Amino acid sequence: HVQLQESGPGLVEPSQTLSLTCSISGGSFANSDYYWSWIRQSPGKGLEWIAYIHFTGPTSYNPSLESRLDISLDTPKRRFSLQLTSLTVADTAVYYCAGLGSSYSYAFDVWGRGTSVTVSS
Amino acid sequence: QSVLTQPPSVSAAPGQKVTVSCSGNNSNIGKNSVSWYQQFPGTAPKLIIFDNDKRPSASPDRFSGSKSGTSATLGITGLQAGDEADYYCGTWDHSLSSWVFGGGTKLTVL
Repeated sequence: HVQLQESGPGLVEPSQTLSLTCSISGGSFANSDYYWSWIRQSPGKGLEWIAYIHFTGPTSYNPSLESRLDISLDTPKRRFSLQLTSLTVADTAVYYCAGLGSSYSYAFDVWGRGTSVTVSS
Repeated sequence: QSVLTQPPSVSAAPGQKVTVSCSGNNSNIGKNSVSWYQQFPGTAPKLIIFDNDKRPSASPDRFSGSKSGTSATLGITGLQAGDEADYYCGTWDHSLSSWVFGGGTKLTVL
């Protein structure tokens, strides 16, 4: 049973870089059955997909954010990370890590609890 | 403005049935399977329907999904107070090369 846990700084200043990490427990991290993803939700708003990475290497980014994004994985430490540069207040959101599972036709079948990020000076 | 269009809100009385629509186009719903997520305030979304009409084992059979052309529908029968939540549809969009979600629908059980 795969479980995800996000970690992040909570508060970041505008123009700085946000670094988030998602730790994976249970199951196998190097699991070809999952595309590991980041999704965010601004206060009072809907869900916005950010990016995904597969343990074999393929990545995909939301085109509207791609120029500011980098997603990576650390297999030995069973975690994957997101970096988002040039932050503005519009990046304030709850950030979720989630897994697109092949057993569910690549729907987001596993989610972390989310980590709140506020961009403010 | 979300790529997938959902009504902002729906409501019905306990025990009744409600449907939530999700409208897209031939680049997203028309090409790929749709999934649905339930989200309670302050918690992470939860998968309730995948591959248009399939339920994870933990999802009650009161929840159902369907797809026709470029639209999908979530149905909930035997409404309970505990079903009050936000519901989101989602799928992959080939033109945008991006996963897309609907704007979400708030369900109120009267």
